[in-house]
Amino acid sequence: QITLKESGPTLVKPTQTLTLTCTFSGFSLSTSGVGVGWIRQPPRKALEWLALIYWNDDKRYSPSLKSRLTITKDTSKNQVVLRMTNMDPVDTATYYCAHNTVDTPMVFDFWGQGILVTVSS
Amino acid sequence: DIQMTQSPSSVSASVGDRVTITCRASQGISNWLAWYQQKPGKAPKLLIYTTSSLQSGVPSRFSGSGSGTDFTLTISSLQPEDFATYYCQQANSFPITFGQGTRLEIK
Repeated sequence: QITLKESGPTLVKPTQTLTLTCTFSGFSLSTSGVGVGWIRQPPRKALEWLALIYWNDDKRYSPSLKSRLTITKDTSKNQVVLRMTNMDPVDTATYYCAHNTVDTPMVFDFWGQGILVTVSS
Repeated sequence: DIQMTQSPSSVSASVGDRVTITCRASQGISNWLAWYQQKPGKAPKLLIYTTSSLQSGVPSRFSGSGSGTDFTLTISSLQPEDFATYYCQQANSFPITFGQGTRLEIK
């Protein structure tokens, strides 16, 4: 079955760079049509899509955060990494990675449990 | 960006009630609309994609309809486990955008 799990620091200081890793199983990012995305959710607020990477290394970013985001994949390790620069307290949120396929384009059918990242000095 | 607006923001209902949640897109998205359910402290769960296709394992009391800019999620007979927050999401174009959520509470 498909599983995903986020890992990384739970506390970062303002101006630092956040690096989150999504480790998955049950699918391969070398399979045509597969993608992995990142979505975040500030406490008690709505979901916000951040980035999506496809099997062919096509990458899409939220325009409002594009200058701060980098998404990469390591197919051999079954991992996707999200890097966000210049962190600010408003970036405090639970960060989720999620699976996507061409069967449900731009829709996330399996999600990780999420990781709460707090930005504070 | 396509803005997604849900109504109501919150609704109170009882077990057995029929509930409808509405989602409106700021421009036409054909049928590229998904619905998620989220319980406190948990990740969202995909319920419906392409407006009305039920994700595997989702009970048939959930249904979706609409096209263009106006969409609805209907729960035909509320069960205790359905009390949660529901989000719509447009899958028509990047950037992917979500509605602000509808909290379904027990009356």
